[in-house]
Amino acid sequence: RKEVEQDPGPFNVPEGATVAFNCTYSNSASQSFFWYRQDCRKEPKLLMSVYSSGNEDGRFTAQLNRASQYISLLIRDSKLSDSATYLCVVNLISNFGNEKLTFGTGTRLTIIP
Amino acid sequence: EPEVTQTPSHQVTQMGQEVILRCVPISNHLYFYWYRQILGQKVEFLVSFYNNEISEKSEIFDDQFSVERPDGSNFTLKIRSTKLEDSAMYFCASVWAENGYTFGSGTRLTVV
Repeated sequence: RKEVEQDPGPFNVPEGATVAFNCTYSNSASQSFFWYRQDCRKEPKLLMSVYSSGNEDGRFTAQLNRASQYISLLIRDSKLSDSATYLCVVNLISNFGNEKLTFGTGTRLTIIP
Repeated sequence: EPEVTQTPSHQVTQMGQEVILRCVPISNHLYFYWYRQILGQKVEFLVSFYNNEISEKSEIFDDQFSVERPDGSNFTLKIRSTKLEDSAMYFCASVWAENGYTFGSGTRLTVV
């Protein structure tokens, strides 16, 4: 089983639509969870952290279900500028006490005018 | 906003040559990382560095790879004898506190 698994897409949705991404992770010891955004040939940029209580940042809502090892991202009223690849990322403390980010393959989103 | 700076932005090298990728982390950050992303694939962990030594490395980070912090500011990744499969984007990241990762804009390495 992949450490972090995402539907690669592509998702092509009309401007103004709501789109949802899902992600599962395999290691129950994972400590913290994020959604990153990556534009073509650019670095990953943090979109938002994900908490069990659910959290919202403007049009973006993220949710974590630790029991199911499942993370979600909802984008409402999508804009053309939301077109990007969305990376599900998990932070794990290793047996050596070091932390590192583990990335999913990403879900590609294209917003259509 | 503080940035992680990487140079060069693009490097083309012949197979078997040595390359050094450079990173200037954010000055008060303590943990440094290298990640790579082969075109069309996911971002993969290579190595973490803390207190002037490697704290963890992945299976990818074999004897051909090394990291250094030669002067207290720069953080370098060296590939001794490049292979075609080393072609990828290489991202440096630095961290201040838990979860505060800042990535550089990356170096695109092309091995021909």
